[in-house]
Amino acid sequence: RKEVEQDPGPFNVPEGATVAFNCTYSNSASQSFFWYRQDCRKEPKLLMSVYSSGNEDGRFTAQLNRASQYISLLIRDSKLSDSATYLCVVNGPGYSTLTFGKGTMLLVSP
Amino acid sequence: ETGVTQSPTHLIKTRGQQVTLRCSSQSGHNTVSWYQQALGQGPQFIFQYYREEENGRGNFPPRFSGLQFPNYSSELNVNALELDDSALYLCASSSKLAGGPFTQYFGPGTRLTVL
Repeated sequence: RKEVEQDPGPFNVPEGATVAFNCTYSNSASQSFFWYRQDCRKEPKLLMSVYSSGNEDGRFTAQLNRASQYISLLIRDSKLSDSATYLCVVNGPGYSTLTFGKGTMLLVSP
Repeated sequence: ETGVTQSPTHLIKTRGQQVTLRCSSQSGHNTVSWYQQALGQGPQFIFQYYREEENGRGNFPPRFSGLQFPNYSSELNVNALELDDSALYLCASSSKLAGGPFTQYFGPGTRLTVL
């Protein structure tokens, strides 16, 4: 089993749609969880941290289920500018290192 | 922008050569991590430096080595380049004081092509 697995994608959605990304992780000792966004040929940028209670940032909602080792990201009212690859990230192995999923590409069309 | 810089932006080498990539961390950040991102893949952890000492290493061979300097800038060296080393090399800085040890901020990367 891969350490961090994500939906293979790509996801093609129209503007205004709601889209959900799923992620599972294998290291039960992981304590920190993130979603990063990566535009084509650019560096990953932190989108949001994911907390056990769930958290929201504008149109973006992240959820964490530690028992199932599952993380999700919901994007509401998709914009053209949301087109990017979304990377699920957990800490480990080691205290301050990060393990990335392969990423899920989102394409939002007019 | 994150304040993390990398040089060069692009590099072309041939098999068997050696390469050095450089990274300047964000001001106040004492931890630098290096990642390799092959096309269509997520970044893979190479190693991390904290206060000039290696603080963790991923599944990469010894021909991948690094350094961190007193000003917390860092170098990644790769010897005996192979075709599969062609990738985007990302540097990320973080600090145990600012934002916690897990929040990493990435530089723009160095795109290495090995012919």
